Amino acid sequence: RKEVEQDPGPFNVPEGATVAFNCTYSNSASQSFFWYRQDCRKEPKLLMSVYSSGNEDGRFTAQLNRASQYISLLIRDSKLSDSATYLCVALSYNTDKLIFGTGTRLQVFP
Amino acid sequence: NAGVTQTPKFRVLKTGQSMTLLCAQDMNHEYMYWYRQDPGMGLRLIHYSVGEGTTAKGEVPDGYNVSRLKKQNFLLGLESAAPSQTSVYFCASSYRPRGLEETQYFGPGTRLLVL
Repeated sequence: RKEVEQDPGPFNVPEGATVAFNCTYSNSASQSFFWYRQDCRKEPKLLMSVYSSGNEDGRFTAQLNRASQYISLLIRDSKLSDSATYLCVALSYNTDKLIFGTGTRLQVFP
Repeated sequence: NAGVTQTPKFRVLKTGQSMTLLCAQDMNHEYMYWYRQDPGMGLRLIHYSVGEGTTAKGEVPDGYNVSRLKKQNFLLGLESAAPSQTSVYFCASSYRPRGLEETQYFGPGTRLLVL
């Protein structure tokens, strides 16, 4: 079983839609979580960190549920420019390494 | 600031050839990493370094060597390339790995094809 698992998608949504991605992690020692965005043939870039209390950055909201060991990302009012692959990432303090999920692909259409 | 740069951007090798990928960062980061990304596999850590002169193995280190002679540079070497090493290689750097302030900055990637 992969340490961080994501639905690969693709999620095809119209502009203006709300879309949510979930990610599960298996290592309870994972302490910090992040969402990275990766455009086609580009490098990953940090989208947002995920705080235990949940956090919001504009149209993006991230949630962490430690009891169920999952992280979510909600995108409201989707834009064409949101089309990308979203990587769920866990940091384990045991190893000081980031563990990347395989990504969820989002395609926003007009 | 250029951030993290990688050279070359693209390379084709024949099986058995060797090459070195160069990663450079100008952010004075202590930590540097080499990943490979393959379809359906996600990013996998090859080797990493927690400071100048130090290196450590990641998840998939076999067939690769690294060196960190200068703080700003992290080199990834393939001594005898194999088709299984066809991949996209990303270098990353960070100030420190722990905490919510951790951000790994990635280079643009090197696409390697081994025939």
